Amino acid sequence: DQQVKQNSPSLSVQEGRISILNCDYTNSMFDYFLWYKKYPAEGPTFLISISSIKDKNEDGRFTVFLNKSAKHLSLHIVPSQPGDSAVYFCAASHDSNYQLIWGAGTKLIIKP
Amino acid sequence: KAGVTQTPRYLIKTRGQQVTLSCSPISGHRSVSWYQQTPGQGLQFLFEYFSETQRNKGNFPGRFSGRQFSNSRSEMNVSTLELGDSALYLCASALSFPGQGSETQYFGPGTRLLVL
Repeated sequence: DQQVKQNSPSLSVQEGRISILNCDYTNSMFDYFLWYKKYPAEGPTFLISISSIKDKNEDGRFTVFLNKSAKHLSLHIVPSQPGDSAVYFCAASHDSNYQLIWGAGTKLIIKP
Repeated sequence: KAGVTQTPRYLIKTRGQQVTLSCSPISGHRSVSWYQQTPGQGLQFLFEYFSETQRNKGNFPGRFSGRQFSNSRSEMNVSTLELGDSALYLCASALSFPGQGSETQYFGPGTRLLVL
């Protein structure tokens, strides 16, 4: 049972345009969400997070949106740059045990 | 500050063997989590240790075990290896609760295990 789903295995975006990565979850108890980025041969690195008390969090070119009623979050990257090409994972947790539940990842390819 | 280190980086084993992977967390971090990453499956949580105690465990068979030492270093052991155990094994450290508030996990580069 996948509680966190990233339905797009890959996404290709033109450099300079907006990249939108999506993540859906099924557990309404989740109250904290994170995005990680992973380059080949490296471990994932933390990108941005959002608490369920917010519906938007912004950090430079990265913005995460949370729609609790739809159990959906998205990561917007604008403008997209070649260095953004990586695999992006979303993860969720709830305060009963803080265990992170991860999605399968979306491979983002930024075309020059 | 040194990051999370994992040894070895690459490993080739045969079915039926056992393997031990090592993880050294960031200095001061007391939480260590282990994940298995396979293509299309994302990160599958194995277990998390905090102050030498297993605090959380994922849905993996008993062949997968781990431990944490007093210096927070952690080891993961897989016994009776199967072909399906071929994966990237990632270790992550955090100060305390990795999923709470702004507490983020810092990942090592992983150990790539190939079972033949």
